Amino acid sequence: KNEVEQSPQNLTAQEGEFITINCSYSVGISALHWLQQHPGGGIVSLFMLSSGKKKHGRLIATINIQEKHSSLHITASHPRDSAVYICAVYAGGGADGLTFGKGTHLIIQP
Amino acid sequence: DADVTQTPRNRITKTGKRIMLECSQTKGHDRMYWYRQDPGLGLRLIYYSFDVKDINKGEISDGYSVSRQAQAKFSLSLESAIPNQTALYFCATSGLGSYNEQFFGPGTRLTVL
Repeated sequence: KNEVEQSPQNLTAQEGEFITINCSYSVGISALHWLQQHPGGGIVSLFMLSSGKKKHGRLIATINIQEKHSSLHITASHPRDSAVYICAVYAGGGADGLTFGKGTHLIIQP
Repeated sequence: DADVTQTPRNRITKTGKRIMLECSQTKGHDRMYWYRQDPGLGLRLIYYSFDVKDINKGEISDGYSVSRQAQAKFSLSLESAIPNQTALYFCATSGLGSYNEQFFGPGTRLTVL
C-alpha cells in the first residue's frame, strides 16, 4: 500500500508570501493529484500530473518521479487561498481510486 | 448546475437505522467512487465502480454496500448504521483511462447517534 506523507500539516503565512507544500509517497506511481478543500468541505481538483511541472494562475505543481516527491507552490498568496491542500496518488494499476495524504491546512493572514 | 451532486447534504440518524446516500453525475463518466473523510485520517476509498456491472470493494468496505443503478447514479448504503460511521462522505467520478482526473461531489455529512 502506498503511504502518502504531506508536510507541513499546518501552515500560517502572511498575505503575499510564497508558499510550498510537499508530498512524498512510498511506492512508484504514474500520476499524482493535488486537491483543494475549502472550509465548507467541497473538494476541487487543482492539478493532475505525471511528470515535470504544471502552472495554473498563481499555483505551480512539480513532480519528481525518481525521488517520489511532489510540491505545490502558491505565489503571491492571498487570504482566499486559505484551505486544506490534499495530495493523492493513484495506487495499483491506477483504476482503483486514489490514496490520499492527510492534507495541509493553510491559513493566509491579511 | 453542479456536475456531481450528492443527496442528502446532511443527515443525522440513529444507531441501527438503514441509510442511503445518493450520487448523480452529468459528466458522462463511467467510473464512480465513494470515499469517507475522517478528521486526522484523510480520505479513504469505500467502493468504486467502472460501469453498471462492475463494482469493486475499496480499502474500508465493511459495513457498506453500493448500487450502480445507471451510468449516472451510484448509491452508498449503510445497512445498520453505527456511530463510528459518522464522517463526511464524498462521491467522485472520472473518465476512461488509467489515470484520469477525479471530480468530487459536495459531500454528505453523516452523523450516527
